[in-house]
Amino acid sequence: EIVMTQSPATLSVSPGERATLSCRASQSVSSSLAWYQQKPGQAPRLLIYGASTRATGIPARFSGSGSGTEFTLTISSLQSEDFAVYYCQQYNKWPRTFGQGTKVEIK
Amino acid sequence: EVQLVQSGAEVKKPGESLKISCKGSGDSFTSYWIGWVRQMPGKGLECMGIIYPGDSDTRYSPSFQGQVTISADKSIRTAYLQWSSLKASDTAMYYCARHGGGEGYFDYWGQGTPVTVSS
Repeated sequence: EIVMTQSPATLSVSPGERATLSCRASQSVSSSLAWYQQKPGQAPRLLIYGASTRATGIPARFSGSGSGTEFTLTISSLQSEDFAVYYCQQYNKWPRTFGQGTKVEIK
Repeated sequence: EVQLVQSGAEVKKPGESLKISCKGSGDSFTSYWIGWVRQMPGKGLECMGIIYPGDSDTRYSPSFQGQVTISADKSIRTAYLQWSSLKASDTAMYYCARHGGGEGYFDYWGQGTPVTVSS
């Protein structure tokens, strides 16, 4: 099973600042990497797939990069609605596996 | 618009059985894999397994193999997750979600079904 490790566990950021979240895979997943946002009491929402393709309706301030084992989600200028938990997920191999999440909180 | 609507909250006792559902909208329901994802209280996301409603081909994550059964009825565009004997450790939120673009990411999610198992 591919283990996905996210860092940091918690990221404290001020509104308007840039946030950079990392995700590392225990073996190469090529570009088969997705990012999700989850707010309290809500289902996760797909942000990015294919490591760098924004899902429908996702604002341009969200961007993804990386391939192989190292991936990054960048939120260029944090808005109030962006404070949430973010998960990465690989879908290169079965079983699909998620990272443990990064909580982005208001500084 | 694609919608996945899940059945309501459940409160059960250890040892009881349970079947929860996920109903999809649109004719494309049978053309996409549907997955079940567990989220234990305060924890992260875990993929339990996936099913292709068109032919009921099913795959289970090793951690959940033998612990749950995933099924589907394509005639009513509904996928199911069931337990034969619940444990307290099955207490969690369960989401169904659709694999997008024929790949393995989840592009549409149900609203979640909370399951509480307590004596």
